[in-house]
Amino acid sequence: DQQVKQNSPSLSVQEGRISILNCDYTNSMFDYFLWYKKYPAEGPTFLISISSIKDKNEDGRFTVFLNKSAKHLSLHIVPSQPGDSAVYFCAASYNNNDMRFGAGTRLTVKP
Amino acid sequence: DAGVIQSPRHEVTEMGQEVTLRCKPISGHNSLFWYRQTMMRGLELLIYFNNNVPIDDSGMPEDRFSAKMPNASFSTLKIQPSEPRDSAVYFCASTDRFLVSGANVLTFGAGSRLTVL
Repeated sequence: DQQVKQNSPSLSVQEGRISILNCDYTNSMFDYFLWYKKYPAEGPTFLISISSIKDKNEDGRFTVFLNKSAKHLSLHIVPSQPGDSAVYFCAASYNNNDMRFGAGTRLTVKP
Repeated sequence: DAGVIQSPRHEVTEMGQEVTLRCKPISGHNSLFWYRQTMMRGLELLIYFNNNVPIDDSGMPEDRFSAKMPNASFSTLKIQPSEPRDSAVYFCASTDRFLVSGANVLTFGAGSRLTVL
């Protein structure tokens, strides 16, 4: 049962442009949402999070938007840089219990 | 801190053999998670422990899989007997979920790549 879904397996953008990665979830009880970034041969690393009581959280070039009514969140990267090329995982948890991940989206930022 | 330590980094074995993956969480972290990454399903939660106690093992695919956490600094994931479809990257992650408020941020190890021939 995939409670967290990332329907786009890959995304390619030009350096300097905006990257938008999308994520949908099915469990309305989730209270925290997180994005992780993963480089090859490494474990995922935490990028940014958002509480379910907010609709936006910004950290430098990274902004996460949450639309609870649509059960949808997105990660915006502006401007995109070649070093941002990685696999991005969306994750969600309820009451700080288990953490459910999506299948990931591979982002390629072209110079 | 050296982070979450997993071993082995790579394992190649033959079908039917026993496989044991090991994890050392970050000192002071009281929750530990095992995930499996595959192309089709991304990161699947297999099992997680709080204070060395298994809380949810509903993600463990079959009885061939078992996990233990005998103390706060060590956990194992065992597959016996292994099958080719078990080939994947297995990640261990830890967090100090009881010590912080807000989002439950996991720290991952580098993973163990398992190939079953």
